[in-house]
Amino acid sequence: QVQLQQSGAELAKPGSSVKISCKASGYTFTSYYISWIKQTTGQGLEYIGYINTGSGGTNYNEKFKGKATLTVDKSSSTAFMQLSSLTPDDSAVYYCAREGTTVDYWGQGVMVTVSS
Amino acid sequence: DIQMTQSPASLSASLGETVSIECLASEDIYNNLAWYQQKPGKSPQLLIYYASSLQDGVPSRFSGSGSGTQYSLKINSLESEDAATYFCLQDSEYPYTFGAGTKLELK
Repeated sequence: QVQLQQSGAELAKPGSSVKISCKASGYTFTSYYISWIKQTTGQGLEYIGYINTGSGGTNYNEKFKGKATLTVDKSSSTAFMQLSSLTPDDSAVYYCAREGTTVDYWGQGVMVTVSS
Repeated sequence: DIQMTQSPASLSASLGETVSIECLASEDIYNNLAWYQQKPGKSPQLLIYYASSLQDGVPSRFSGSGSGTQYSLKINSLESEDAATYFCLQDSEYPYTFGAGTKLELK
């Protein structure tokens, strides 16, 4: 079955960076994009962008350019998202999800807390 | 960006009732609309894609309809397990955008 296993919760200081992983299994990794989505109580769900797992090409929501960097390691079927220059506004649950004709399967989410 | 206006924000209904949730897009999204269910502490689960196609394994009491800018999710014969937050996603144009969500409470 399709599974997206994300890394664990992060507690980070303002100005620092975190890197979240998303390991896929149960399907051909390079046949689908991996998307990343931010969820907060206040702003709801926001689409950060996707990475083409075959080519490594990316497409970012303008709002997250400079904030998020998406990469992929095909050899381990793992996608990564680095969040940089963290501020309290970056505190959220971050999901990876498989994207084909639509966004279908989601990881379990990673809570990132930014606090001094 | 395409704006998705979802209504109502919350809904209270009884077991066995039928409810509908609406999403209005700021422009035509050509049926590129998905619906998800999310329970507290869990990740979203896909219910409907391409406006009306039922995802494998989703009960048939869930259905989607609509076209152009107006879409709806209908849940027939509510069951206790349907208590959750539901939201829509337009996947017609990047960046994809989501509705704000509808919290469904069972009386």
